[in-house]
Amino acid sequence: QQQVKQSPQSLIVQKGGISIINCAYENTAFDYFPWYQQFPGKGPALLIAIRPDVSEKKEGRFTISFNKSAKQFSLHIMDSQPGDSATYFCAASRGGRRALTFGSGTRLQVQP
Amino acid sequence: DTGVSQNPRHKITKRGQNVTFRCDPISEHNRLYWYRQTLGQGPEFLTYFQNEAQLEKSRLLSDRFSAERPKGSFSTLEIQRTEQGDSAMYLCASSFQGSPNEKLFFGSGTQLSVL
Repeated sequence: QQQVKQSPQSLIVQKGGISIINCAYENTAFDYFPWYQQFPGKGPALLIAIRPDVSEKKEGRFTISFNKSAKQFSLHIMDSQPGDSATYFCAASRGGRRALTFGSGTRLQVQP
Repeated sequence: DTGVSQNPRHKITKRGQNVTFRCDPISEHNRLYWYRQTLGQGPEFLTYFQNEAQLEKSRLLSDRFSAERPKGSFSTLEIQRTEQGDSAMYLCASSFQGSPNEKLFFGSGTQLSVL
């Protein structure tokens, strides 16, 4: 059972553009929603995370938008740069556990 | 080194052999996690420890898999009688339970290839 569905599978964006990746979850007990960035040959690295008591969180060029009623959340990367080219994963967990359930990933390519 | 360290980085083995991976977490972290990642997929949770206690195991963790964290520091993951389906990247992560915004830090993983 895939509890966190992520789209699109791949994304090509021009330098300076906005990258948008979407995730939907099923388990209403989830209360922690992080996004991870992974480069080839490396482990995932935490980018930004949100809890369901806020609808938006911004850190630098990265913003999470959260829609609790729709059970959806998204990552927006403003002013996308070639160095942002990586695979991005959304994830979710519940009840203070950090046993994260990950989405299937989005491969982002930012063209110069 | 302040990051999560995993050894070896790569392991090639023949079907039926046993393999063991090691993870050294960030020193002050009391939680340690094992995940498995196959090509083109997100990491899948296998198990986690708080100090030396193994608190949760996924149904993905068959009887051929065993993990230990004997002194609450480093951890090992052993796979017995490996199968081709075990080929994957095995990721370790650690965190400090009790911090206001507990964050998982991942290692670079051990890539297992079962021939």
